[in-house]
Order: sequence, then structure tokens, then C-alpha cells
Amino acid sequence: DAGVIQSPRHEVTEMGQEVTLRCKPISGHNSLFWYRQTMMRGLELLIYFNNNVPIDDSGMPEDRFSAKMPNASFSTLKIQPSEPRDSAVYFCASSWWLAGGRETQYFGPGTRLLVL
Amino acid sequence: KQEVTQIPAALSVPEGENLVLNCSFTDSAIYNLQWFRQDPGKGLTSLLLIQSSQREQTSGRLNASLDKSSGRSTLYIAASQPGDSATYLCAVIIQGAQKLVFGQGTRLTINP
Repeated sequence: DAGVIQSPRHEVTEMGQEVTLRCKPISGHNSLFWYRQTMMRGLELLIYFNNNVPIDDSGMPEDRFSAKMPNASFSTLKIQPSEPRDSAVYFCASSWWLAGGRETQYFGPGTRLLVL
Repeated sequence: KQEVTQIPAALSVPEGENLVLNCSFTDSAIYNLQWFRQDPGKGLTSLLLIQSSQREQTSGRLNASLDKSSGRSTLYIAASQPGDSATYLCAVIIQGAQKLVFGQGTRLTINP
């Protein structure tokens, strides 16, 4: 298995531009998670999906952020318009969720975003 | 609100030593606790997962313990090697949710 695939790996953009991050989860997994990592705040969950349905988006910072999962093999995280404070590493993770929390989450390599 | 704390923030030890990393959490209503490893510029790799009903898990030179009642976990690394140098993150999944709540991590350096 190729693991969780994220693209792009690095993104440099200017303030005000739209940024789209992409994620392909591990085949067969039914849950997908978007995290953000910064030095100040560490790793934070932004949103997660079960069976392509958003379950909890309480971590999404503001309306500039949106996430979609049109099918079981693809998800996007969009920032529009981007701001310098959005600079961070964004991770996608997937898992096969069973009641009782027996399954771990598998993380992608991350997208390093720099907004100038 | 669940909070996860890791102590120390950084640790540097000579090769060959046994060491312990600490993790504490404020709400004992968890599904499981996981230890991850993160290398610079890379994603996270799961090392050990302890179910809430378990007390410990072992994998090779790694042993993780869980004391739910006191809200603590430790990661024991035996006979440390330079290749163990990385940031180690502790995370819990709270009951009723799938959210991983992470600590800030311990940056470990093993000196040859």
C-alpha cells in the first residue's frame, strides 16, 4: 500500500491567494482527518470525515477554511483567501474506525504551506 | 476539555542509556492512548497504541504503559540508539469521538 498521499508537498503563495491541499487516504479506510501543525499550537485537528460525511469541523479556524470529501479516495482542504498566519504543516490521516477505538490513524507526509 | 502534556520538552542522552518519556492527560474517559514518532520534515509514525482497558504495550525496545486513573502514560526506550533521535508525541482519543488530542511532544536526541 502506498500509504496516505498528500499533494503538494510544499506550497508557497502570496497573501490573498487561494490554496488547495489534496489528500488520498489509504484504500479501504472509512475515516479521514485533517490536522495542522505549528510551533506555537502543536498538532490540532481541523476536521474529520466518516464515510465521506463531515462529522466534526469545530477545529476549522474560520470561514476561510473549507474541506470536502467527494468520494472515499479523495479529499481537499481549501483556504480562501490565505493569510500569513495560515503558514503551517497540514497533515492528512486516515483510519478504519471501529467502535472502541482499536485502530490507529495513518498520517501522510504533510504539506508545508508558506503564505507570504 | 482534554489536555495532554508531555515532559520534558527536550531530552539529550548518550547512546545506550534507557530512558522514559512522560505524558499526562486531564480526562480519563479515553478510548486509547497512542505514541507517535515524528522525524524532522516528515509525517507521524505510530509506535504503540494502548486500549483503555490495557495497562501496557511492547514493541521491540519500546514499552508504553497506561494508568488511566491517574491520567498518565510513559514510553520506555531501552538501550537507546542514535536512530531513535526524533520527536515523540503522545495522543489520546476521547470517548465518544475520533479526535486525537496531541501533546506538544518531547524532542529526543541520542548522542553517539
